[in-house]
Amino acid sequence: DAGVTQSPTHLIKTRGQHVTLRCSPISGHKSVSWYQQVLGQGPQFIFQYYEKEERGRGNFPDRFSARQFPNYSSELNVNALLLGDSALYLCASSLGTGLGETQYFGPGTRLLVL
Amino acid sequence: SQQGEEDPQALSIQEGENATMNCSYKTSINNLQWYRQNSGRGLVHLILIRSNEREKHSGRLRVTLDTSKKSSSLLITASRAADTASYFCATEDQGGSEKLVFGKGTKLTVNP
Repeated sequence: DAGVTQSPTHLIKTRGQHVTLRCSPISGHKSVSWYQQVLGQGPQFIFQYYEKEERGRGNFPDRFSARQFPNYSSELNVNALLLGDSALYLCASSLGTGLGETQYFGPGTRLLVL
Repeated sequence: SQQGEEDPQALSIQEGENATMNCSYKTSINNLQWYRQNSGRGLVHLILIRSNEREKHSGRLRVTLDTSKKSSSLLITASRAADTASYFCATEDQGGSEKLVFGKGTKLTVNP
């Protein structure tokens, strides 16, 4: 079975631009979460979606938004890019949203903002 | 913000030796999980320990949890070069916020 897939794998943008990152969860998984991992740090939670509804939001500005589609895939959008948005963006899927649910992570999208 | 700290930040050992990594956290938790990350790519779930558990084993992994000290340790026995990776602890809080809060990680190098 395919794992969590993310596209693109790498992306270079300039300040002020907009970016869309995509994630396809494991088949049967209805929950998708997004994390930002800056170099040398652990991942930080951005959003969680379950059944197309936002279930959680981390401490990120409104420039960050996301959505989940009927097939449970998800997009993360970032507007007005800043240099500090350069990071590895990780998507994770799980069956549901219960405590202790194992999260399966994709390989990530590495974003560089120049 | 990060939940806590892993200690040490970096660890270098020889193949066959044991590796111990520690994690401290700040809030009351429902469970604590350990993840491995190779070369800045995706994370792999290793083991989960619930707040009412004190020790858990999985293969060569042993995890302990001390909720009174808000700390956990991960022991990898008989390490292999393939264990070279960064290891992160992550917590889920009792409030059920349904998000993982990660530490900064320990970078483990196992030399052949």
